[in-house]
This record gives sequence, structure tokens and C-alpha cells, in this order.
Amino acid sequence: SQELEQSPQSLIVQEGKNLTINCTSSKTLYGLYWYKQKYGEGLIFLMMLQKGGEEKSHEKITAKLDEKKQQSSLHITASQPSHAGIYLCGADILMDSNYQLIWGAGTKLIIKP
Amino acid sequence: DSGVTQTPKHLITATGQRVTLRCSPRSGDLSVYWYQQSLDQGLQFLIQYYNGEERAKGNILERFSAQQFPDLHSELNLSSLELGDSALYFCASSVRTGFVSTDTQYFGPGTRLTVL
Repeated sequence: SQELEQSPQSLIVQEGKNLTINCTSSKTLYGLYWYKQKYGEGLIFLMMLQKGGEEKSHEKITAKLDEKKQQSSLHITASQPSHAGIYLCGADILMDSNYQLIWGAGTKLIIKP
Repeated sequence: DSGVTQTPKHLITATGQRVTLRCSPRSGDLSVYWYQQSLDQGLQFLIQYYNGEERAKGNILERFSAQQFPDLHSELNLSSLELGDSALYFCASSVRTGFVSTDTQYFGPGTRLTVL
């Protein structure tokens, strides 16, 4: 099973609507990263969360970290066509005495005009 | 622009051939990571180098190898190519040593490899 579960796998949202993407870890999180990828292009770093309860915003995108639940949520308000793409979460976990980054499978977001 | 550069952008080759992908990390970053992304597999971690030494290995095939040079650029060598090796190959860089709990990776634009 995936150590880092993202949900939903895909999402179709009417332009202007809000949406939420979740990322849940089966291991202790030391850092949680959100990236966005347009088809066939590189991953763009959005934000990093480290502390339980931490919340960060960038334009209309807000991410929160619930440390107790080992979960992060990415919320987009008033979605726009520019928000379309694949959102990936990555998490720092401790493995064999080293911190390593593991990845979720991604959420594909489509914005309907 | 992340500051990470990758060449070439596209590569088309035949089965059985060998190719080399190149990556230059952001200035000051000592770690380089290689990833493979295909439609059905998602983002797969291949290998990490830190300051010239291999630091972590992921799902890297024996036909694949990588190295990081003294100037910190890295190359990923793919040999005896098969149709299934067609994918996007990304390089990322960070300052990570493995002993710090959090560290952001910055990705290059990727190399699209097509094996015919």
C-alpha cells in the first residue's frame, strides 16, 4: 500500500468553485510539500509545511498540516483555469536514520469553464 | 524558473541503445535526485547523489546508472533501452544532507525520452 495517500485521484471542478485535495501519511511526517505540475512539464514548488497546525497561503491556494492526523489538505478558493494540473504531495519521513522524501500518486485537477 | 537545468529536452532513440541525460543543479545545492515519471507509474524516485557520492537508491534498474561530478552536475545513463523506458526523466536539487529533517527539492523541466 502507498505510504503517502492522495485523494481524490482526479477532480473535475466548475470554474469559480472551491476544492480540497488531501494527503495522508502512514508514517510520522517531518515536513510536507505541495507541488503543481502541468502536463509534460516540471514540478513547481508551491509550499512546505513543517509544524502541526501550520497553515500557508499562496494566492488562492491554502495548505494546512494536521500533525495528529498525519495529514495535509490543499484548498483552492474560487478555482480558475490556471489552477488546472496535477498536484503532488511529498513528505519527509525518517528511514534507516536518514530523512527521505516520499511521494503521493498525484491528484489531477480539471477546471470546467 | 527553478534554476535546475536539464538537457536534452527531448530524446528519441531505438531499443537497445544507450543515452545520457544531463542535469545542472541550482547554485549552492549539493544534492541531486533523479526521477522517472510515466503515465501509469507516477513519480518514481531513482537515485540521489550528495556532493559526488551516492546517498540513496530507489527503484533504479541495473541498466541505469548515474554519477555526480566535482562541479556537481549529474548524468543519468540509460542503457539497453526498452520500450517501457519511455518516460519523462526529472532531475531535482536541494541542499539536503539527509541529516536535516526538511529540505525543499527544486525540479528541472525534464527530459522526455521516447524509445521506438
